[in-house]
Amino acid sequence: EAGVVQSPRYKIIEKKQPVAFWCNPISGHNTLYWYRQNLGQGPELLIRYENEEAVDDSQLPKDRFSAERLKGVDSTLKIQPAELGDSAVYLCASSLQRGETQYFGPGTRLLVL
Amino acid sequence: ELKVEQNPLFLSMQEGKNYTIYCNYSTTSDRLYWYRQDPGKSLESLFVLLSNGAVKQEGRLMASLDTKARLSTLHITAAVHDLSATYFCAVDPRGSARQLTFGSGTQLTVLP
Repeated sequence: EAGVVQSPRYKIIEKKQPVAFWCNPISGHNTLYWYRQNLGQGPELLIRYENEEAVDDSQLPKDRFSAERLKGVDSTLKIQPAELGDSAVYLCASSLQRGETQYFGPGTRLLVL
Repeated sequence: ELKVEQNPLFLSMQEGKNYTIYCNYSTTSDRLYWYRQDPGKSLESLFVLLSNGAVKQEGRLMASLDTKARLSTLHITAAVHDLSATYFCAVDPRGSARQLTFGSGTQLTVLP
């Protein structure tokens, strides 16, 4: 069974540039999560989707971050414009439903210069 | 606000030795996860503990949960180099605002 797929794996951009990350969850998983992991810390939730509905986005910096999950499958997380402090690993995870074990993708390592 | 604290944050141990990683959390929960993360890689699910007194074992790792003490432990028996990684506990709180909250991780290095 294929796991959670993310792309790109690495991204280097200059500050104020836009950037987008893509995630394809495990087939059949209704719940999708985006996390940010800073160096030496655990992941922190940015947004959670139940199918195509964003049901928990309280931690998402809405002035510059946006996300979508069209058709309840793939998801895109965007940052515009990026700031130096956005450098981190962005992880996507999915689960069959809320409260079930989350399976993580390999992450996108973002460096903002 | 739920707080999850792991200790130690860094652990260096000799092969063949035993050690325990501790995970304390600040709110009621009966669902706790342990994940492993290798450098530059994503998180791999190790255990999910679903009730007070739950104990799960896989190879040299054993995890337990005491919901009354709000404490989980990850015990390592006869460590080997392949266990070197960062281990995270994550707590799923009860209630409507359920959001998996991770500890800061324990970076384990097993020395030959």
